[in-house]
Amino acid sequence: EDQVTQSPEALRLQEGESSSLNCSYTVSGLRGLFWYRQDPGKGPEFLFTLYSAGEEKEKERLKATLTKKESFLHITAPKPEDSATYLCAVQAVQGAQKLVFGQGTRLTINP
Amino acid sequence: NAGVTQTPKFQVLKTGQSMTLQCAQDMNHNSMYWYRQDPGMGLRLIYYSASEGTTDKGEVPNGYNVSRLNKREFSLRLESAAPSQTSVYFCASSAGQATGNTIYFGEGSWLTVV
Repeated sequence: EDQVTQSPEALRLQEGESSSLNCSYTVSGLRGLFWYRQDPGKGPEFLFTLYSAGEEKEKERLKATLTKKESFLHITAPKPEDSATYLCAVQAVQGAQKLVFGQGTRLTINP
Repeated sequence: NAGVTQTPKFQVLKTGQSMTLQCAQDMNHNSMYWYRQDPGMGLRLIYYSASEGTTDKGEVPNGYNVSRLNKREFSLRLESAAPSQTSVYFCASSAGQATGNTIYFGEGSWLTVV
């Protein structure tokens, strides 16, 4: 069974304090690993897709990396507007285009 | 750019009532999905439609039915609502296997069953 575990559940940082969020996964053949951002009362907003171990993608203060067992979302010098819940999901080669989600990490950046 | 549009945004139902959540996408996507999001459970797939004319069960289909009305529209029906169906429902769409598989979400529909 495909499974995704995110840690920590919640993280509080000071503005400018860099850190990383973890996404551990087990999947029967990885088609892609996805990162989404979700603001309160909104739908998930797509950030990145990673397809193979060693791949990295960046967007502003965010960088996502992928290994064969986990993915990290690195946040460099975060700002209060980076506060959100970050969701990780995997898509298996088998099983159409379904996503299996982790429970998310709730990130709060204090000014 | 509307993307994925869901209606209604908020709804309160009494146990046993029926209702339909509507979803439309304007990105010419082939595949559409319905997820529910509950505290501590993450997002779980209810039903999906890989292409127009097809629908398949996801992880938690019991108590729901879907209709892929055309390429743009995918509705979710609760025939006899139960308190356990109180949740936030998200519709999503993607281009499909051949042209990329990023899934884009709507803004959500908050459903309370009392």
